[in-house]
Amino acid sequence: GAGVSQSPSNKVTEKGKDVELRCDPISGHTALYWYRQSLGQGLEFLIYFQGNSAPDKSGLPSDRFSAERTGGSVSTLTIQRTQQEDSAVYLCASRVGYEQFFGPGTRLTVL
Amino acid sequence: SQQGEEDPQALSIQEGENATMNCSYKTSINNLQWYRQNSGRGLVHLILIRSNEREKHSGRLRVTLDTSKKSSSLLITASRAADTASYFCATPTGGTSYGKLTFGQGTILTVHP
Repeated sequence: GAGVSQSPSNKVTEKGKDVELRCDPISGHTALYWYRQSLGQGLEFLIYFQGNSAPDKSGLPSDRFSAERTGGSVSTLTIQRTQQEDSAVYLCASRVGYEQFFGPGTRLTVL
Repeated sequence: SQQGEEDPQALSIQEGENATMNCSYKTSINNLQWYRQNSGRGLVHLILIRSNEREKHSGRLRVTLDTSKKSSSLLITASRAADTASYFCATPTGGTSYGKLTFGQGTILTVHP
């Protein structure tokens, strides 16, 4: 594909359930980022993968959040025991040079 | 915390007019980037200006950077209804070139036909 893809585009879940969000970066991009966007907090960095280096997890808001990147390509963001404050749009981006290319996002709604 | 603060928060203009958005940041930067977001979803990279540059043009976009004032502006000339979107400035953190981006709060631009 030409761009970053994310799935699902929308996810509605009940409080306390676990969710997995997927990101397929642009082929060949070694850097991958997760951000989230919510009304109260704006755009926030969550986690950053660069090649085989240890990921920068400094933006993860709690230990309920985790992410992995398999084979240097696809990434999955997992939120355990979701809370209502987790409701947001989760954006993935991959990078070449300075420019980050963003996917369309996953809108997560926790009821 | 948000590195960039943008103003105005919202801007409403008529097609054909120019739109100017401003961004301020707090720490030293290697570069500053502007992104556009339509309908609250994916962001599109518009333009990047390096810390040693003062002005940059791309089509109808003009970006300025004043590192002494820690501020940048984005000018869209001859605006079109299709320019209606949210615009964000962003800087890689820690003075790096490639790091995670810290975004401003954004300016919501509405261009009326």
